[in-house]
Amino acid sequence: GAVVSQHPSRVICKSGTSVKIECRSLDFQATTMFWYRQFPKQSLMLMATSNEGSKATYEQGVEKDKFLINHASLTLSTLTVTSAHPEDSSFYICSAPKGGRGNEQYFGPGTRLTVT
Amino acid sequence: AQSVTQPDIHITVSEGASLELRCNYSYGATPYLFWYVQSPGQGLQLLLKYFSGDTLVQGIKGFEAEFKRSQSSFNLRKPSVHWSDAAEYFCAVGAAAGNKLTFGGGTRVLVKP
Repeated sequence: GAVVSQHPSRVICKSGTSVKIECRSLDFQATTMFWYRQFPKQSLMLMATSNEGSKATYEQGVEKDKFLINHASLTLSTLTVTSAHPEDSSFYICSAPKGGRGNEQYFGPGTRLTVT
Repeated sequence: AQSVTQPDIHITVSEGASLELRCNYSYGATPYLFWYVQSPGQGLQLLLKYFSGDTLVQGIKGFEAEFKRSQSSFNLRKPSVHWSDAAEYFCAVGAAAGNKLTFGGGTRVLVKP
């Protein structure tokens, strides 16, 4: 099966700093990637759709200036949490469909962000 | 808007017993339905999916699910659970296989020896 990686797997940062999370499709190209957020013992909530070569599409209620998404290449999307606060602490998961939107998507292992 | 409801937050089953996890969805068109499993500290693993055709779908690890359009349900079943099946299970719906997904709240399964 296809592989999607995330880096880092865990990160601790201080309040007010920014942190970047990478999502890579290792063995396929992904023109679209999705970013989800999962609070402890809760479900996944879609934050945004990352589009290679164009702006990300954010879901209602997600601050685009706080959660910056850049789809730099066909295998890499990054999520930058700017001016992080403790309430941004969460598990961030990315996914990518192999072969485009009509195909099955694969999930990364997630990144645990803790803001102190 | 699409939505997914998993009525059971926790389910405890004995090892060897059968398991059924409920999932109800709301979607305006023909849905693409998925069941994922998430073990502690792990990413999501796809158990099975339904797009069209036979309404009883077989997945990995001995799981199966049945799509019932009249009931807007896509319940997951396993005849005999193993201790390794203890995990969080998520039902999800999307407009297409590779499109963004809406997840249910999840059901945590505990397996008693």
